[in-house]
Amino acid sequence: GAVVSQHPSWVICKSGTSVKIECRSLDFQATTMFWYRQFPKQSLMLMATSNEGSKATYEQGVEKDKFLINHASLTLSTLTVTSAHPEDSSFYICSASAPGLAGGHEQYFGPGTRLTVT
Amino acid sequence: AQSVTQLDSHVSVSEGTPVLLRCNYSSSYSPSLFWYVQHPNKGLQLLLKYTSAATLVKGINGFEAEFKKSETSFHLTKPSAHMSDAAEYFCVVTPTSGTYKYIFGTGTRLKVLA
Repeated sequence: GAVVSQHPSWVICKSGTSVKIECRSLDFQATTMFWYRQFPKQSLMLMATSNEGSKATYEQGVEKDKFLINHASLTLSTLTVTSAHPEDSSFYICSASAPGLAGGHEQYFGPGTRLTVT
Repeated sequence: AQSVTQLDSHVSVSEGTPVLLRCNYSSSYSPSLFWYVQHPNKGLQLLLKYTSAATLVKGINGFEAEFKKSETSFHLTKPSAHMSDAAEYFCVVTPTSGTYKYIFGTGTRLKVLA
């Protein structure tokens, strides 16, 4: 149980274009979803927290106009990287939590999306 | 404020020998603590978690960790390393109330030598 999927698993896009990454909770309703970014050989960096039906809360230093997060349903959140540039190339990981699972303390992680901007 | 420190960025062990990955935390509240493993280009897999129940926590693949409040530590151990254990390991702390944001350690890369 508590499975989270991401799509696509990898994507290559050209500089200046936008790319959307989906995060889905497959067998539970995720009231909260989190988006992380991970550079090579580094830890995960939280980008934003989103609650279903609300605007996302972005961490300091994360450009909300560049990284658009939508959490329109209890099973789907999307991250759109707008006007992507090579420096946006990274591994993006989402996670989800729900009050009914482990008291909401635990996050369930997706497999990640490798974004390469050329 | 909460923080977590993984004391070793790299650990090398020989196959069949014990593994010790160290983690210290700082928390104003009673925390939940987790260990995750990440293989290259993969997501995170939960190894084990402490949520104020038994202080010795057993996880998957033979891993275990002991919560020591007096030492503010949550070290990960395994009696005998296997080649498949080579990966990146993250210690995570989160409060037991509020937003439940994860605070990640910087990670420890485990290398297992044949």
